[in-house]
Amino acid sequence: DAGITQSPRHKVTETGTPVTLRCHQTENHRYMYWYRQDPGHGLRLIHYSYGVKDTDKGEVSDGYSVSRSKTEDFLLTLESATSSQTSVYFCAISEGQSSYEQYFGPGTRLTVT
Amino acid sequence: GQNIDQPTEMTATEGAIVQINCTYQTSGFNGLFWYQQHAGEAPTFLSYNVLDGLEEKGRFSSFLSRSKGYSYLLLKELQMKDSASYLCAVRDSNYQLIWGAGTKLIIKP
Repeated sequence: DAGITQSPRHKVTETGTPVTLRCHQTENHRYMYWYRQDPGHGLRLIHYSYGVKDTDKGEVSDGYSVSRSKTEDFLLTLESATSSQTSVYFCAISEGQSSYEQYFGPGTRLTVT
Repeated sequence: GQNIDQPTEMTATEGAIVQINCTYQTSGFNGLFWYQQHAGEAPTFLSYNVLDGLEEKGRFSSFLSRSKGYSYLLLKELQMKDSASYLCAVRDSNYQLIWGAGTKLIIKP
């Protein structure tokens, strides 16, 4: 199994509070991704990174920011959480873009009340 | 827009064969992936197709027709542990994965 961990695994927070989710990998893969998964929807890309300090927006980036100061860590921040951001968040990694599959972390279940 | 369609739910019997279909309309095509996701767990990679035809891997096979925008995942000799959701994803022209909503497969004894 690819070495990917996410923390926290579960979190309940209130509307308007900032939240940071962490993804940590031990594979030295260049690409890291943040997705959200909601019932009735496919996985949706929030942001991704193609190297240290190199990030780009995905399909549903509004309300989220990311940072990658080290190869192994990719942080996702909700600046001011809203109930619509209640979801399961998955981090994924891959060696490259073409042909390489993505390996997923265990997920973080976030509830915004 | 980009779209991946899969059936929402399918039911099959232990020991039987099931085919899960996926049709796609995307801006560009750079490969199609199938993932398995058990309830409450992360998706895990099953197969990758970039050329037309059938890729076989044990009890699982995946087929691709690029001209028809169509793929299927074939599961043989079904086991109870195959009860899971199966996710189809297409890599588009920007090398981003576009995901279907997944097909929940229920296996009955």
